[in-house]
Amino acid sequence: GENVEQHPSTLSVQEGDSAVIKCTYSDSASNYFPWYKQELGKRPQLIIDIRSNVGEKKDQRIAVTLNKTAKHFSLHITETQPEDSAVYFCLILTGGGNKLTFGTGTQLKVEL
Amino acid sequence: DTEVTQTPKHLVMGMTNKKSLKCEQHMGHRAMYWYKQKAKKPPELMFVYSYEKLSINESVPSRFSPECPNSSLLNLHLHALQPEDSALYLCASSLRGDRDNQPQHFGDGTRLSIL
Repeated sequence: GENVEQHPSTLSVQEGDSAVIKCTYSDSASNYFPWYKQELGKRPQLIIDIRSNVGEKKDQRIAVTLNKTAKHFSLHITETQPEDSAVYFCLILTGGGNKLTFGTGTQLKVEL
Repeated sequence: DTEVTQTPKHLVMGMTNKKSLKCEQHMGHRAMYWYKQKAKKPPELMFVYSYEKLSINESVPSRFSPECPNSSLLNLHLHALQPEDSALYLCASSLRGDRDNQPQHFGDGTRLSIL
């Protein structure tokens, strides 16, 4: 089946530090790469996305970078704050573009 | 209105009961999705409706039966569920279709417990 790897599974940073989460995929048909944030007991919410015609996109403290050749994309959060603590998921099309698969998730904890 | 609304928020049912989960959106989205999420796991896709037609069924057991009465509504009918079906059931919608490269908007989910 389709392989979607997300690393790390847990990440603990000090407030103000940066956090980076990476998602690696194998289906070259993927051309849309979103990241979702899910706080405990709440819905997944889109925080940023990128399409394959660009390599990087930034929205204030959040950025996503895409390397289509290497088949990975990463979420970057700068100046982390306690409210950034949540589980983050990547989501990609897999199976030749026929299936939507979430990454395994990263539990980010921002400590004071 | 930029929300996906799911009802009920919580549901407890026995293995012999029949119940339905409901999902509604008024964003004009033409793709709607059901996901199942177990604790500390990512959402797993169950069904996708595109333009009111079932386009993806991820080999879901027949005790789960989806229905899309119109472009704004999505139901999930439940019958003879098993304890392992206890989970958070999330509904989502997106603009055009299941591969439309558009963001998915999620509801808050229905937390289902099977006794």
